[in-house]
Amino acid sequence: GENVEQHPSTLSVQEGDSAVIKCTYSDSASNYFPWYKQELGKGPQLIIDIRSNVGEKKDQRIAVTLNKTAKHFSLHITETQPEDSAVYFCAASIRGAYNTDKLIFGTGTRLQVFP
Amino acid sequence: GAGVSQSPSNKVTEKGKDVELRCDPISGHTALYWYRQSLGQGLEFLIYFQGNSAPDKSGLPSDRFSAERTGGSVSTLTIQRTQQEDSAVYLCASSPKTPDGAGVAQYFGPGTRLLVL
Repeated sequence: GENVEQHPSTLSVQEGDSAVIKCTYSDSASNYFPWYKQELGKGPQLIIDIRSNVGEKKDQRIAVTLNKTAKHFSLHITETQPEDSAVYFCAASIRGAYNTDKLIFGTGTRLQVFP
Repeated sequence: GAGVSQSPSNKVTEKGKDVELRCDPISGHTALYWYRQSLGQGLEFLIYFQGNSAPDKSGLPSDRFSAERTGGSVSTLTIQRTQQEDSAVYLCASSPKTPDGAGVAQYFGPGTRLLVL
């Protein structure tokens, strides 16, 4: 079935450094790729998304890149701050067997930013 | 505007009891999803609603789990005869109507933390 692989599972960086999280998806029909940030005790929060007709999107310190040929997409966080510490999930859209519009989620990356 | 809300925020119950979890989606969102997240794990899809109908129940782990949605808005997830392995965070998400063939963002609530003793 469809799946999304996410790496690394944990990532530790020094404040001010960059962080990169990578995902690979299997369904070539996927056309929408959101990223979520989940802080302890809270629900996932959408932070940025990209559609398949775009190769890169940037919003202040975060950016997402998409390579449809290779079925890879990545999250880039520059100038990391301690408040960026959280679990990050990537996801890819699929149209399921019941005409369901679903998101398939990666397994998450725990990012720790040390002051 | 108001986001997705869920209640209760925490629920402790005894093994064998039934529980009901509630989700209020963002106003106007036609699609509603339930997920389960075990401690330190990813998101496990449970069920999807489009309006009041549930075309995809493929993620429900057993017949002890059921969900309904009335009036195209509020949804309740019911777990009957709870087991200890049901302990998890139950997340609800909603999204607007999907343009045909295009993916769309899901917006999550804060979750209900269920502990079955």
